[in-house]
Amino acid sequence: SQQGEEDPQALSIQEGENATMNCSYKTSINNLQWYRQNSGRGLVHLILIRSNEREKHSGRLRVTLDTSKKSSSLLITASRAADTASYFCATSKDSNYQLIWGAGTKLIIKP
Amino acid sequence: SAVISQKPSRDICQRGTSLTIQCQVDSQVTMMFWYRQQPGQSLTLIATANQGSEATYESGFVIDKFPISRPNLTFSTLTVSNMSPEDSSIYLCSGISEGRGETQYFGPGTRLLVL
Repeated sequence: SQQGEEDPQALSIQEGENATMNCSYKTSINNLQWYRQNSGRGLVHLILIRSNEREKHSGRLRVTLDTSKKSSSLLITASRAADTASYFCATSKDSNYQLIWGAGTKLIIKP
Repeated sequence: SAVISQKPSRDICQRGTSLTIQCQVDSQVTMMFWYRQQPGQSLTLIATANQGSEATYESGFVIDKFPISRPNLTFSTLTVSNMSPEDSSIYLCSGISEGRGETQYFGPGTRLLVL
């Protein structure tokens, strides 16, 4: 079942601009993860942020987590055409490692 | 990271037949999962594949329709039985290694079209 919403559903920007995607969830979590999926293929893990963390960086990615608002954001800086993909957030609630997935944001980077 | 392969990558099947999808991991993983993803949609968990015992199914999915095997820590199969056009979807397997944190590693998916 889906944990929450992601917005926007679709985002189209020019290469070089920053892209921001948001994720909201409904219940308490252990961690929140972001994944990328290219053209209906397998998903690739991008970054994990734990419930006691507020911000995390990995290369051009910056993730924030606000547990009081039950929301997270993924920022991709200096976007590239290769960043074109769907981005999903997923939350982990307990120790069984199951993830609950957001609806996803389809990102298109225009050259 | 674990590398996961799936076979077949895609298939077109007739209504009423069954298809078995194989998932192979290049290293031992603690847990394996099977997902279904409708085109343009999010992932829906079908079941957790348990080594040497019956899979744990999510609400809405039953063993008779989606039998799963996991004979060892690196291999699992999902069968889609008595298929109908509503089963057309992408089927994905994933694995987690407890020693490598909570990242799920995904196979490339199997695109299934049922006519």
